[in-house]
Amino acid sequence: SAVISQKPSRDICQRGTSLTIQCQVDSQVTMMFWYRQQPGQSLTLIATANQGSEATYESGFVIDKFPISRPNLTFSTLTVSNMSPEDSSIYLCSVESGEGTDTQYFGPGTRLTVL
Amino acid sequence: SQQGEEDPQALSIQEGENATMNCSYKTSINNLQWYRQNSGRGLVHLILIRSNEREKHSGRLRVTLDTSKKSSSLLITASRAADTASYFCATGLLNTGTASKLTFGTGTRLQVTL
Repeated sequence: SAVISQKPSRDICQRGTSLTIQCQVDSQVTMMFWYRQQPGQSLTLIATANQGSEATYESGFVIDKFPISRPNLTFSTLTVSNMSPEDSSIYLCSVESGEGTDTQYFGPGTRLTVL
Repeated sequence: SQQGEEDPQALSIQEGENATMNCSYKTSINNLQWYRQNSGRGLVHLILIRSNEREKHSGRLRVTLDTSKKSSSLLITASRAADTASYFCATGLLNTGTASKLTFGTGTRLQVTL
């Protein structure tokens, strides 16, 4: 199974600022995914991040608000831009196991609070 | 929109009892995965069942899948207080490339009391 770490684990930010979340995997993976979990809710896919190409965003999410970088096969960042209190959520990255099983493993999440 | 709906939304049982959670989805899937989340932390992968499978076991977990009814169930036998968590089903649809992107259900909050 893949071991995934995220930084920061939590943060409290002011309205109008931006936060970049890092996701590091202990093995090379083709695709990484970014999810948002709003308070008391389920997870919603934000985008799929491929190495060497632009991320693919789901309906309701745009690159200007959630720019994503994928510089190599073990690392990705998600930036939450121009934050508002509605962006307060847990942000999680995930990867497929790469073992041919389609199993997806998740990082520990970044808990973001916007004041 | 959410692909999966889970019921019950909340479940409270005593230690030693069995817990059953159900998941329904709307479109054809490649696989269905169950996850556990403790107190808003990261998700722990429990089990994956493919669309051509009907039942899988892992320790105290039993998962069934009925593609004709577009539903799945997770059974936790002999529950323990440590099983207290939220449980999510997630359906996998083949994405471009090699990975499936997941659509999550609404989740079931399980409380196991001593």
